[in-house]
Amino acid sequence: DIQMTQSPSSLSASVGDRVTITCRASQGISNSLAWYHQKPGKAPKLLFYAASRLESGVPSRFSGSGSGTDYTLTISSLQPEDFATYYCQQYYNTPWTFGQGTKVEIK
Amino acid sequence: EVQLVESGGGLVRPGGSLRLSCAASGFTFSTYSMNWVRQAPGKGLEWVSSISGSSSYINYADSLKGRFTISRDNAKNSLYLHLNSLRVEDTAVYYCASGPYDSSGYLTYWGQGTLVTVSS
Repeated sequence: DIQMTQSPSSLSASVGDRVTITCRASQGISNSLAWYHQKPGKAPKLLFYAASRLESGVPSRFSGSGSGTDYTLTISSLQPEDFATYYCQQYYNTPWTFGQGTKVEIK
Repeated sequence: EVQLVESGGGLVRPGGSLRLSCAASGFTFSTYSMNWVRQAPGKGLEWVSSISGSSSYINYADSLKGRFTISRDNAKNSLYLHLNSLRVEDTAVYYCASGPYDSSGYLTYWGQGTLVTVSS
């Protein structure tokens, strides 16, 4: 199975801050990577697929990048509605696997 | 509008069984692969199983093989997950989810989830 490791596990930030979350796969996944965010009590919501393709309706302050084994999610200017837990997921091989999550909290 | 609505969760004793359902609407169900993803209380997301539109391709998380069975009824626009030999560690919210095409590995549409609690 492909292991996905996110860092950091949590972070505190203020509105307007630039935030970066990284995701490392245990083997190359050829950009078969998705990012989601999830708010408490809600289902996850897709932000990106194919590492950098923004899902329809997602604000442009979000960006995704990376290749091979290393991927990054960046929020250019954190907004109040962005405080949530973020997950990466590889879909290069089954079993699909998720990172452990990064909780973005208000500083 | 795509809608996925799970049902069938509840309290079950260790060793028991349960069948979860997911009713789909707003898209041509038979042409999309479907997935189950679960989330234990306070924990992260864990992919459980997927099934292609025609049911030709089925995959499971290795740790769950043999205890869980995924199926679908395209005539009823419904997805199912049969959970057998349940353990306390199977306690979780179970989500059904699909991507934008058959065999999609990323998940665009999610239901609200149904809670399964395994406890004596």
